[in-house]
Amino acid sequence: GNSVTQMEGPVTLSEEAFLTINCTYTATGYPSLFWYVQYPGEGLQLLLKATKADDKGSNKGFEATYRKETTSFHLEKGSVQVSDSAVYFCALSDPNTGNQFYFGTGTSLTVIP
Amino acid sequence: EPEVTQTPSHQVTQMGQEVILRCVPISNHLYFYWYRQILGQKVEFLVSFYNNEISEKSEIFDDQFSVERPDGSNFTLKIRSTKLEDSAMYFCASSDWGSPLHFGNGTRLTVT
Repeated sequence: GNSVTQMEGPVTLSEEAFLTINCTYTATGYPSLFWYVQYPGEGLQLLLKATKADDKGSNKGFEATYRKETTSFHLEKGSVQVSDSAVYFCALSDPNTGNQFYFGTGTSLTVIP
Repeated sequence: EPEVTQTPSHQVTQMGQEVILRCVPISNHLYFYWYRQILGQKVEFLVSFYNNEISEKSEIFDDQFSVERPDGSNFTLKIRSTKLEDSAMYFCASSDWGSPLHFGNGTRLTVT
């Protein structure tokens, strides 16, 4: 079946530190992969996506590369800011399952000045 | 940019009462979803809807829950007889085939 496993949080970093949030997936087909971000009190917003192997999604300084060989889609940012404090969700969609989306459990990030 | 809108933003109801949560998906999207998030916990899938019928539902989506697309724009989630444990944020989402989910800002349901 399809599933997403995310690095457990919470994660606390100092401003300008390097961020990695690990995500691995299991899929029966050829999924698309996503990172969503949820700021306090808000809904989920798409952060970035990759639709096939070796694609790199990027947005707002965040990056993630679709690695088929390791079934991973780790989120990275070179220098985090206080405003990046949020919960980050890895997700996949599998076109073989009727456009169904599967979410990880979320990783809470707090960036301190 | 078009967005998914949800109303109300906060609903307070007494245990045993019926509630209807409303959503207006993005107009050209074909797939509609409800998710919920109990405070501080993960986002849980409830149901997906396509072509005027449920395409998939989770174990959470029992007989107390129903969804409807009563007209061309609204997508509603009804909880027939609310329980305390139904208290959560409920997120509506929509998508086109192969495209990312677009989420609304959620309805916070508080059951007292």
